[in-house]
Formats: sequence, C-alpha cells, structure tokens
Amino acid sequence: DIVLEQSPDTLSLSPGERATLSCRASQSIRRSKVAWYQQKVGQAPRLLIYGESSRATGIPDRFRGFVSGTDFSLTITRLEPEDFAVYFCQQYGTAPYTFGQGTRLDIK
Amino acid sequence: QVKLQESGPGLVRPSGTLSLTCTVSGDSIGSDTWWSWVRQSPERGLEWIGEIYHTGSTRYNPSLKSRVSMSVDKSGNQFTMNMQSLTAADSAVYYCARELWGTSIFEYWGQGILVTVSS
Repeated sequence: DIVLEQSPDTLSLSPGERATLSCRASQSIRRSKVAWYQQKVGQAPRLLIYGESSRATGIPDRFRGFVSGTDFSLTITRLEPEDFAVYFCQQYGTAPYTFGQGTRLDIK
Repeated sequence: QVKLQESGPGLVRPSGTLSLTCTVSGDSIGSDTWWSWVRQSPERGLEWIGEIYHTGSTRYNPSLKSRVSMSVDKSGNQFTMNMQSLTAADSAVYYCARELWGTSIFEYWGQGILVTVSS
C-alpha cells in the first residue's frame, strides 16, 4: 500500500496568514492522483482539491494544490476563521486508496 | 443536491456481522460512478473499505476483502455493506461516499454512523 506522511501534525497560525501543509508519498503516485480534504469536528471530510490543482465545486481560490515528484502540498493563501480544521491528503492512483494521518490547523 | 445517509446498528457484538445501508438522494445509484465505504477511527485514521458500481462490480481493500461484501439495491436507490467477524478494532465511524466521475475521489459523503463493537 502507498503510505502518505503528512507534516506537520499540527500547525498554529493566525487568520490572514498563509498555511502550507505537506504530504509525502512512500512511492510514486500515478499521474499525481492526490486529493485534499478538510474535516471539521463532528462532520464528514469535504473534498477541496484533486489532481494537481483542481478545486472541487464551491471551494474558494485561496485553496491551492501543488505537486513536486512524490511531494504534495496544500496552500491556503490567506486564512479565514472557518479554515481552522483538520486536513487530509488521499491518493487515488493505486488501490487500495489511502489517506494521510492528517494535519490539524489551529488558531494561534 | 446529492445526499447520502447511512443507517444501521450502532452496537455490534464481537464476532458478529455489521450491515450498513447508504440511501442516496439527488442522484441515481445507476449513475456512471462508483459508490464507496470509508471508515475512520482514532487508531487507524481514514481507511477505504471498498467500492461498488451499479452493475454490482466491486473492488475491496485487500486488508478487509475476506470479511466484506457490498451490494446495490436499484429500486431503493441504496447500496449496502456487510462486514463479518467483527472485533473491537472495527469500531469506527463509517461513511458512505459517491465518487467523482468514478475516479475514487470522494466528492459527496454521508454524515457518518458510529459503530461500536462490544459485548
């Protein structure tokens, strides 16, 4: 199985700041098939980004995805109060589809 | 608006069988996409269980394949997952999801159902 390692485990920032979350794969992911999800307490994950940088329906353009080899990142260019949540990466290039352990984005 | 709703027991005995149903509204189970089950626990994180197409074709996570089966009920616009030989390690929130264009990207999710395996 492809293992996804997310870093950092926790990121503490203030509204208005820029957040960069990382996801590293244990092996090459076919055609950069990585997605990012946001999860708030008591809710299901919500799809944010898929492919290299495609945003899901209704996702604001402050959310951006980047790919460099087996390293993937999610950038939130200017944090809004509603962005503080847990973020997961997922690879959908090779079954079984796997998720990272998550990065918690906290308000500083 | 696509909506998914899980239903089933919240408590299952060890060695028992879990049966969960996902009812879909706002879309047809016969759409050209796959329908998945994903579970989440503090110990194992998010784990993909498997997926089913409206024809009945299935793909399962090899780690669970021996214990899982899925089926589709077109008349009820539902799909179901059965998991056998449960242990405490199977306690989790179980989600059903609709994939984006059959890509194994989980576009729409149910709210989740907490299942506890305990005697």
